[in-house]
Amino acid sequence: AQSVAQPEDQVNVAEGNPLTVKCTYSVSGNPYLFWYVQYPNRGLQFLLKYITGDNLVKGSYGFEAEFNKSQTSFHLKKPSALVSDSALYFCAVRDYGQNFVFGPGTRLSVLP
Amino acid sequence: NAGVTQTPKFRVLKTGQSMTLLCAQDMNHEYMYWYRQDPGMGLRLIHYSVGEGTTAKGEVPDGYNVSRLKKQNFLLGLESAAPSQTSVYFCASRGDQSSDTQYFGPGTRLTVL
Repeated sequence: AQSVAQPEDQVNVAEGNPLTVKCTYSVSGNPYLFWYVQYPNRGLQFLLKYITGDNLVKGSYGFEAEFNKSQTSFHLKKPSALVSDSALYFCAVRDYGQNFVFGPGTRLSVLP
Repeated sequence: NAGVTQTPKFRVLKTGQSMTLLCAQDMNHEYMYWYRQDPGMGLRLIHYSVGEGTTAKGEVPDGYNVSRLKKQNFLLGLESAAPSQTSVYFCASRGDQSSDTQYFGPGTRLTVL
């Protein structure tokens, strides 16, 4: 069965510093990996995805994610955090089926 | 192009009451999903549909029913609401099997007393 873990409930980072939000996954076969962001009282918004190809994937709002097959990880990164990046971030995985499995979410707080 | 919309935005029910949540999408997407979001548990799939007239169970289907009579609409029903169904419900749609991105609605906050 597929599963996604986000080991940190909360990540705090100072504005201007680099940020990392961690995600590890378990899936049979090749993974399809996603990051979504949720702002308060809003639905989830797609940030980026990894299907195949380069291990470093670039997405919206300056975010990128690094796929590491040997460590089964897909960490979200940004070189310089903004206060407006403060939100809830979800990692998700899909295999050859039609359904997505989401992690529990990580709350990112960027402090001015 | 409104994307994915959900009706209502908020609702309070008493235990045992019934209600229907409506999800509508104007992107001609084949796939539609209903999730519930609970603190610390992320999103859990309730039911989904891979096309008009089809539905299937997800991870947590008990206590819910769904219908997809029209391609653009996906209804989630609670026949006899329970306090354990207090949650935020999100609908999502996806183009087809070759499309990977889900588009989410704004959510419905349901409280069952």
